[in-house]
Amino acid sequence: KNEVEQSPQNLTAQEGEFITINCSYSVGISALHWLQQHPGGGIVSLFMLSSGKKKHGRLIATINIQEKHSSLHITASHPRDSAVYICAVPYGGATNKLIFGTGTLLAVQP
Amino acid sequence: DGGITQSPKYLFRKEGQNVTLSCEQNLNHDAMYWYRQDPGQGLRLIYYSQIVNDFQKGDIAEGYSVSREKKESFPLTVTSAQKNPTAFYLCASSISLSGNIQYFGAGTRLSVL
Repeated sequence: KNEVEQSPQNLTAQEGEFITINCSYSVGISALHWLQQHPGGGIVSLFMLSSGKKKHGRLIATINIQEKHSSLHITASHPRDSAVYICAVPYGGATNKLIFGTGTLLAVQP
Repeated sequence: DGGITQSPKYLFRKEGQNVTLSCEQNLNHDAMYWYRQDPGQGLRLIYYSQIVNDFQKGDIAEGYSVSREKKESFPLTVTSAQKNPTAFYLCASSISLSGNIQYFGAGTRLSVL
């Protein structure tokens, strides 16, 4: 069983739709990371959160430590949101050694 | 502008050849990382460095080597011992090894001729 699982693997949405990407993990963690990988390959860190909810623009990340689950929401989606969204959790005691999910490929159509 | 620069963007390796991927950061970060990304898999850690002149193996270090002679630079050599080097390689850095956001470079795509 993968230690970090994301769903769905692929997601197609129409512009303006509300989008949810889920991440479940099996290890105990201190924080969870959400990352965005653009079609060219570059990766941007979106959030690092250890409890509750964080918001940045149209992006919202939530985490439930007890249930070992996090969600990334995109409100009023736009074609420029099309990317791979990756969640990652630390392991091994050193909190910046990360286990990465395989990513969710999001395509937002105009 | 602060950031991480990886070069080259595309690299081709011949049979039996060692190649070196460059990673430079001007963020004054202590920690640096190298990841490998294969289709359908999550990023996997190759090597990481907590501080200058120190580095540790990650999960898939075999066939790779690194050095950390300067804080700003963390080059990765893909040796001829790495039998399946074709992948996308990403370098990252963070303020320290403990609980910080990692900043990523744009990546190097390595292919075998």
